[in-house]
Amino acid sequence: AQKVTQAQTEISVVEKEDVTLDCVYETRDTTYYLFWYKQPPSGELVFLIRRNSFDEQNEISGRYSWNFQKSTSSFNFTITASQVVDSAVYFCALSEAWNAGNMLTFGGGTRLMVKP
Amino acid sequence: GAGVSQSPSNKVTEKGKDVELRCDPISGHTALYWYRQSLGQGLEFLIYFQGNSAPDKSGLPSDRFSAERTGGSVSTLTIQRTQQEDSAVYLCASSLENPRIKNIQYFGAGTRLSVL
Repeated sequence: AQKVTQAQTEISVVEKEDVTLDCVYETRDTTYYLFWYKQPPSGELVFLIRRNSFDEQNEISGRYSWNFQKSTSSFNFTITASQVVDSAVYFCALSEAWNAGNMLTFGGGTRLMVKP
Repeated sequence: GAGVSQSPSNKVTEKGKDVELRCDPISGHTALYWYRQSLGQGLEFLIYFQGNSAPDKSGLPSDRFSAERTGGSVSTLTIQRTQQEDSAVYLCASSLENPRIKNIQYFGAGTRLSVL
């Protein structure tokens, strides 16, 4: 069965620090998709990135970057020069290709607090 | 509307009463999902709709939970004889349906259910 683990339940940093959120996943499928979502205090899950298992290229989007390593089953998320507005709960999720329903299996989330 | 809309945003009910939660997906999205977010269980999948049919109900925690979708659009999640353990945030998501790729799910802000 699939599983996503976010070992860091809470991280606190000071503004402008870099921070990395860890995500480790388990799946028996060779084709799968990984996602990161952000949940601000308003409650809505905001999509950040989707990556398929055949694309191990790292990705950068502004201050955000993602490091996908199949060898360690990890899909880590780094925020560079963090800002107070980055404060939220961040979820990593997995979807397996065999599952036509596309349901997401989520990690437990990491609460990031960025202090001014 | 532009995004996934859920109503009510908050619902307080007494144990044993029935409740209905509504989800209005993004226009044109054929797939619709219900998830539950609780302190003890994190984010868990409940049910998935493709059009008006629900090929995957595997996540529904008991037969007190049911859902329907009409006209390929609005969905209602019904919880009968509510129990205190049903207290959680119920999140709805929608996506375009494509069996070949894992489409991005876009989430609503959720309905916070409190069972007294």
